[in-house]
Amino acid sequence: GIQVEQSPPDLILQEGANSTLRCNFSDSVNNLQWFHQNPWGQLINLFYIPSGTKQNGRLSATTVATERYSLLYISSSQTTDSGVYFCAVGVNDYKLSFGAGTTVTVRA
Amino acid sequence: DTAVSQTPKYLVTQMGNDKSIKCEQNLGHDTMYWYKQDSKKFLKIMFSYNNKELIINETVPNRFSPKSPDKAHLNLHINSLELGDSAVYFCASSQTEQETQYFGPGTRLLVL
Repeated sequence: GIQVEQSPPDLILQEGANSTLRCNFSDSVNNLQWFHQNPWGQLINLFYIPSGTKQNGRLSATTVATERYSLLYISSSQTTDSGVYFCAVGVNDYKLSFGAGTTVTVRA
Repeated sequence: DTAVSQTPKYLVTQMGNDKSIKCEQNLGHDTMYWYKQDSKKFLKIMFSYNNKELIINETVPNRFSPKSPDKAHLNLHINSLELGDSAVYFCASSQTEQETQYFGPGTRLLVL
């Protein structure tokens, strides 16, 4: 199956800082999604981004499919950005393979 | 207004018991999923359904039996619960397998 590696595993930020999370994957994919799991356990979809760049408020994501990686940018971080960020990939096969996640802690 | 709902939210039970988790989505999606999240927060697909038909069974023990009575519902029945079944189970849905997945709130199962 496809291997998904996320880095860094943990990230501590001061409120207002910017950060970049990375997702590498081992094979060509045509489905890539970023999720945020908040401290209460809810999984929220941030982006569906198998290629290209998207922005949503302070968050943006870029996927370079030919080089098998995706980046998630958090700008002007807030305490509500704390949680675990997951990258998940798939190939036309009704299943997403998830990375181990990046745990982000934003301190006030 | 909840897009994907699950019941119950919490489930505490003894080893050997049988339990069910229900999932409903009101998004009109054709595809539904069950995921298991372990204590290290690793998420793994268990089952995928499309239009009530099982598409993926990701080497899940046959003690786990999903059922989809219609496109809006996907239930999970677990027989003879074991300690290792303790986890958070998430239901999700998407319009097709290539589109955004929306997750339910999760069911926290603890087997004693």
